[in-house]
Amino acid sequence: EQQVQQSPASLVLQEAENAELQCSFSIFTNQVQWFYQRPGGRLVSLLYNPSGTKQSGRLTSTTVIKERRSSLHISSSQITDSGTYLCAPDTNAYKVIFGKGTHLHVLP
Amino acid sequence: EAAVTQSPRNKVAVTGGKVTLSCNQTNNHNNMYWYRQDTGHGLRLIHYSYGAGSTEKGDIPDGYKASRPSQENFSLILELATPSQTSVYFCASGDRDKPHEQYFGPGTRLTVL
Repeated sequence: EQQVQQSPASLVLQEAENAELQCSFSIFTNQVQWFYQRPGGRLVSLLYNPSGTKQSGRLTSTTVIKERRSSLHISSSQITDSGTYLCAPDTNAYKVIFGKGTHLHVLP
Repeated sequence: EAAVTQSPRNKVAVTGGKVTLSCNQTNNHNNMYWYRQDTGHGLRLIHYSYGAGSTEKGDIPDGYKASRPSQENFSLILELATPSQTSVYFCASGDRDKPHEQYFGPGTRLTVL
């Protein structure tokens, strides 16, 4: 059973378009973290929030814990935003569980 | 930001051989983690540690051992490597009470022939 599901699996945008990435999870969690990864690269934390909305630059994360879902909104996409976005809700056991990611490709 | 380094960055091993992947972090984090990343599976937790001397099994521990000899170092050991263990391995560290704040190393690409 897949505990963390992300959609869409892949997304192609034209530069300057907005993106909406979705994450749903079946586990109990207190907060969700979003990571970014370039192909073959290390993961970099983008945002984490227990609930509600949190913004960092062009990124906005909205999490509704009771409904077991989170979303990541990327505004005015840039070519350098291309990569994989991973959703990772934490568990009560001092660890997080990762979704398979959304592969974003931003075209010029 | 936490500094997490891994060595080697690339490794080719033979089936049945022993492989040791090393991870070092310099920010005095209590927790350290080993993941593998495969297409179609995403990141999966192999072993983790709460501090020096402790190791805990993650979601896919079979075929792997871990060692945490100090706060800074966490190793992943493949006693008898198999081709199914070909993958990219990531180490991460984090604060004891903040499992969501994990800082990742650059990864090690392991190929088992």
